[in-house]
Amino acid sequence: EDQVTQSPEALRLQEGESSSLNCSYTVSGLRGLFWYRQDPGKGPEFLFTLYSAGEEKEKERLKATLTKKESFLHITAPKPEDSATYLCAARTYKYIFGTGTRLKVLA
Amino acid sequence: AAGVIQSPRHLIKEKRETATLKCYPIPRHDTVYWYQQGPGQDPQFLISFYEKMQSDKGSIPDRFSAQQFSDYHSELNMSSLELGDSALYFCASSLKDTQYFGPGTRLTVL
Repeated sequence: EDQVTQSPEALRLQEGESSSLNCSYTVSGLRGLFWYRQDPGKGPEFLFTLYSAGEEKEKERLKATLTKKESFLHITAPKPEDSATYLCAARTYKYIFGTGTRLKVLA
Repeated sequence: AAGVIQSPRHLIKEKRETATLKCYPIPRHDTVYWYQQGPGQDPQFLISFYEKMQSDKGSIPDRFSAQQFSDYHSELNMSSLELGDSALYFCASSLKDTQYFGPGTRLTVL
């Protein structure tokens, strides 16, 4: 059965303390791996799409990488405004979401 | 840039009532998706439409139905509402692979 697992469930960082969020996937026929940021009560905001192992994408303090089994979202020198839930989703013939990582960055 | 529009943003209904949620996709996007998200949960896929035809069906209750119209907007109709239907309902649209989400409709069933 296709499955996407994110870890950790929750993460607290000090401002400037870099870390990585993990998205492990077991799917048949990956057609894309997506990262979203979601603030409470709002719709998921698109961050990155990765299509093949070895691919990397960057945006400000965020960098997403992809292997054949997992994806990482690296956050470099985070700021309090980076606090949110980060969701990953794998696309086969459908989209399978992970349960997200709730990130809290403390000033 | 234009985004996905959803209306209403908030909706309060009584048990056993009916609700209709509307979604206006990003112009030229050909696929619309509906998701339900409970507190602290990931979005649960309900149903999708490609070029106005139903393309996939997820965990959508039989009490719910949806359609996509000729102008590409979509409506999610929910009947015999139950307390457990209280959630955020998101619509997303895509042209190729990437889904872009709307701001959601918060449905509260009393």
